[in-house]
Parts: sequence; structure tokens; C-alpha cells
Amino acid sequence: NAGVTQTPKFQVLKTGQSMTLQCAQDMNHEYMSWYRQDPGMGLRLIHYSVGAGITDQGEVPNGYNVSRSTTEDFPLRLLSAAPSQTSVYFCASSNGQGALETQYFGPGTRLLVL
Amino acid sequence: ILNVEQSPQSLHVQEGDSTNFTCSFPSSNFYALHWYRWETAKSPEALFVMTLNGDEKKKGRISATLNTKEGYSYLYIKGSQPEDSATYLCAFANFNKFYFGSGTKLNVKP
Repeated sequence: NAGVTQTPKFQVLKTGQSMTLQCAQDMNHEYMSWYRQDPGMGLRLIHYSVGAGITDQGEVPNGYNVSRSTTEDFPLRLLSAAPSQTSVYFCASSNGQGALETQYFGPGTRLLVL
Repeated sequence: ILNVEQSPQSLHVQEGDSTNFTCSFPSSNFYALHWYRWETAKSPEALFVMTLNGDEKKKGRISATLNTKEGYSYLYIKGSQPEDSATYLCAFANFNKFYFGSGTKLNVKP
């Protein structure tokens, strides 16, 4: 099993550009989530999904869109990048509905918005 | 927004020392408390998922306790080793949402 994979590893964007961060898992996990990690702060939940076709907002959803068309994939879209979105982004997945299950994290995507 | 606090922010200990950290969280609407170990340049790795008041979990030299009524969890490391150097994160799970503390960074000197 590859576990949770994320692409790209590193990306530089200009303000106003759009991009999609990819996340995939091969463990047949129902729950998937996106976090951002900023210096001095803990991981903050952006969006999450409890299954294909179902998504919901986390703590810091503004500026980000998600969709979940398959169990395996959970892409994160930045429609118009802003410097405040410079961060490291982690995708995670877990079995079941989330809270009671172990989360497995991907390797992260480092994003720089100029 | 729920507040999850971890203390201390950082800790420097000698090899062989035992140490402990604290995670404080809201005592209402509790579903679970997760502990993670996060090494530099890697991704967080789950240590424990704790759900019941009074829970105690152990993995090797690392153990954790949970008090949901007063809203805190302790993580203990017995006989710290240099390979224990990492940031230890806790996360409060409220239904399907996770709220992370900012972590305790542990440095174990040989």
C-alpha cells in the first residue's frame, strides 16, 4: 500500500493563480481531510469528507474548495491564490467516520504564493 | 473555534530522563483525543486514540492518560532516547472535526 500520497511536493504560485493540490489514498478509507500548517500554529482543518459525495467545512475553509467524487481522491482547489495561503498542506485519511479512528497523514505539499 | 493548548512549548532533556507533557481541551462535546508524533521533514504519525475518561494507553516507553471531565491528557516518555526527539501533537476530536494544539517540541540530548 502506498498509503496517503500528495502531489506536488512543492509549488510556487503568483497571486491570483489557481491550482489543485492532489491527495489520494489506497486504504479504502471513508474519512479524508485537508489541513494547513503555519509556523507557531497547530494543524488547522480546512475541509473534510466522510465519504464520496459528502464534504464539509473545517476551521479555515475560506479560499479553498474541495470535492469527493471517488473514495480514493480528495483534491483541494485554490481558486485565486493569495500570499496568506502560503503554507504547508497535509492531507489525511482514516477508516470510519473520523473522530474515533487513527488518521494517516500524507507527506505534505509546500506552497509559496508570491 | 475550540482551544487546544499544549505545554510546555519545548523541552530539552538528557538521554535517560523521563518526561511528560500536557494537552488541555474543552471538557464538553468530547469524542476523542489523539496524540501524534511528528519528526522534522516527515508527516505526523499517530500514537494513541483515547476515547474514555480514565483511559490509559501505552506503546513501548510512551504512555498517555486521559481526563475528559477536567479536560486534559498527559503524555509520558520513560527513559528518553535521542530518537524520541520530535514534536508531539494532541488533537481534540469533536464529531468529525479535529482541533490540534501547537505541539510540544522535545529535544533529547545524548
